Amino acid sequence: DQQVKQNSPSLSVQEGRISILNCDYTNSMFDYFLWYKKYPAEGPTFLISISSIKDKNEDGRFTVFLNKSAKHLSLHIVPSQPGDSAVYFCAASAGSNYQLIWGAGTKLIIKP
Amino acid sequence: EAGVAQSPRYKIIEKRQSVAFWCNPISGHATLYWYQQILGQGPKLLIQFQNNGVVDDSQLPKDRFSAERLKGVDSTLKIQPAKLEDSAVYLCASSFRLTSGGAETQYFGPGTRLLVL
Repeated sequence: DQQVKQNSPSLSVQEGRISILNCDYTNSMFDYFLWYKKYPAEGPTFLISISSIKDKNEDGRFTVFLNKSAKHLSLHIVPSQPGDSAVYFCAASAGSNYQLIWGAGTKLIIKP
Repeated sequence: EAGVAQSPRYKIIEKRQSVAFWCNPISGHATLYWYQQILGQGPKLLIQFQNNGVVDDSQLPKDRFSAERLKGVDSTLKIQPAKLEDSAVYLCASSFRLTSGGAETQYFGPGTRLLVL
């Protein structure tokens, strides 16, 4: 039972263009969503988050959009840089324990 | 600020052997998490501690996995006996417990890569 789904295992984008990573969820009780970035042989690193009361959150080159009716969120990276090449995980939480449910990740490759 | 430390970084054992992983969280972080990440999947929470108490261990296979967090700081995760399907990366994370609501940012260690032969 995958409550958080990232349907694209990988994505290749030209440097300087926009990268769009997608995430779908099934549990309407999720009230907080996060994106983490992971380099090989390292642990995930927090990137950006959004509360369910918002539909957009922006931090520099990174913007997360939330569409609650579609149970869908996306991460936009503009412009994409070589250092953005990593695996991106979408995660969601519900309730006071803040436990995270994770997607399987999308490997982003930025081509020079 | 020092990050989350984990050791060992890699471990190879044979099935039915035992293994232990160690985690030292960021100083001052009350909450500690152990995750299992199987290749091609996202991390799966095994156990969550708040100080030295267990908040949730519902997904911990208690017949073979055990974890403790003595004195509310360091933590160890043990597998005994190991099975082939335990091959994975074991991630430790910590967070500073917020009281005003909202999800906490979890800070991860580099993980321990376990291979069971």
